[in-house]
Amino acid sequence: DVKVTQSSRYLVKRTGEKVFLECVQDMDHENMFWYRQDPGLGLRLIYFSYDVKMKEKGDIPEGYSVSREKKERFSLILESASTNQTSMYLCASSSTRDRRRLNEKLFFGSGTQLSVL
Amino acid sequence: QKEVEQNSGPLSVPEGAIASLNCTYSDRGSQSFFWYRQYSGKSPELIMSIYSNGDKEDGRFTAQLNKASQYVSLLIRDSQPSDSATYLCAVIRDPFGNEKLTFGTGTRLTIIP
Repeated sequence: DVKVTQSSRYLVKRTGEKVFLECVQDMDHENMFWYRQDPGLGLRLIYFSYDVKMKEKGDIPEGYSVSREKKERFSLILESASTNQTSMYLCASSSTRDRRRLNEKLFFGSGTQLSVL
Repeated sequence: QKEVEQNSGPLSVPEGAIASLNCTYSDRGSQSFFWYRQYSGKSPELIMSIYSNGDKEDGRFTAQLNKASQYVSLLIRDSQPSDSATYLCAVIRDPFGNEKLTFGTGTRLTIIP
């Protein structure tokens, strides 16, 4: 089974802090994604990566950055956390090398519930 | 108009009955359609994908796609309490050659024993 592991289940941070969310997948998947999930808004894509050191903006990249130094690891960084970044953050991966199909069959991690106070 | 719309529910269905979940999408050029199941406090899990008009069956699940009417549905036959979850519809469209996946906000389904 594919395993996508997010390092923390719950995080509480203060406004202005720099926050790192870590995600590791163990199935040699090419593509990794960061989503946030909010009630009434659904899942929204923040950033994704289709290769090591490659990244592309999703729908809501403002206030976030990402890092992919190794194939299995994809980090989401909140440069200066704000209260409107309180959310459930979900990491996902997919295996295809076809860039036109990288969104098909996503495997999600268990999520990190981030609260920014 | 939202790109992908679902009734948020909750939808309550007696055990053993058929649960019908619906999703409409706005972009007529959408190509690929998915249903994810998300249990409370858990992450989404892909359960069905469909790419062409008609029905696709997998066990107790049937996905139905009608591109002319721009809707996709999920039928769950012989509903079980373990089917109680939020079901997310997801649609891929391809604006300008860049694939874009959009999720609906989900329908919460409760199976009543």
